[in-house]
Amino acid sequence: SQELEQSPQSLIVQEGKNLTINCTSSKTLYGLYWYKQKYGEGLIFLMMLQKGGEEKSHEKITAKLDEKKQQSSLHITASQPSHAGIYLCGADKRGNSGGSNYKLTFGKGTLLTVNP
Amino acid sequence: KAGVTQTPRYLIKTRGQQVTLSCSPISGHRSVSWYQQTPGQGLQFLFEYFSETQRNKGNFPGRFSGRQFSNSRSEMNVSTLELGDSALYLCASSYGGGLNTEAFFGQGTRLTVV
Repeated sequence: SQELEQSPQSLIVQEGKNLTINCTSSKTLYGLYWYKQKYGEGLIFLMMLQKGGEEKSHEKITAKLDEKKQQSSLHITASQPSHAGIYLCGADKRGNSGGSNYKLTFGKGTLLTVNP
Repeated sequence: KAGVTQTPRYLIKTRGQQVTLSCSPISGHRSVSWYQQTPGQGLQFLFEYFSETQRNKGNFPGRFSGRQFSNSRSEMNVSTLELGDSALYLCASSYGGGLNTEAFFGQGTRLTVV
């Protein structure tokens, strides 16, 4: 099965600092998703990346998918306390017929703490 | 547009009982997926439904079942509850559920089995 490795597991930064979270797979990623979760709550959709080399930004968060589609990074610029939470990457897996398996496999998450 | 709605938000059940959780997807979305989240195992896929048909199922025992109605609302049922079933249950809604389809999650149902 496709395993997604996230690094680091946890991160503590000072407000205003930049940071990067990585998501790596041993297999090609088809549809890479980034979510944010506050403890015990639902997942907030951040971005979805599809193509190798693709980059998307929303406010101060930028996500990239590498050309080989095996690694994605999430970069936060000038972090704020509101960015604190658990960041999860998830990926779809292409089935035997080439279509979707209609499920997402997730990494273990990165816990981000932003100190004011 | 309303988001994904899960009810109830919290549940406390006794071992051996059964429970039914509900998920109302975003209007127009026809795919609903269910996930279990625990501190030890993280997020794990339970099953996915599209137009009342289950298209995929995760590696969970038969005590976990689900269904989808014609209005795309979905329910999942867990019978003969065990302590290990305590978890946050999340459902995700998407338009088609296939590759490269944006998937939006609800707030989850926190199930505690005592």
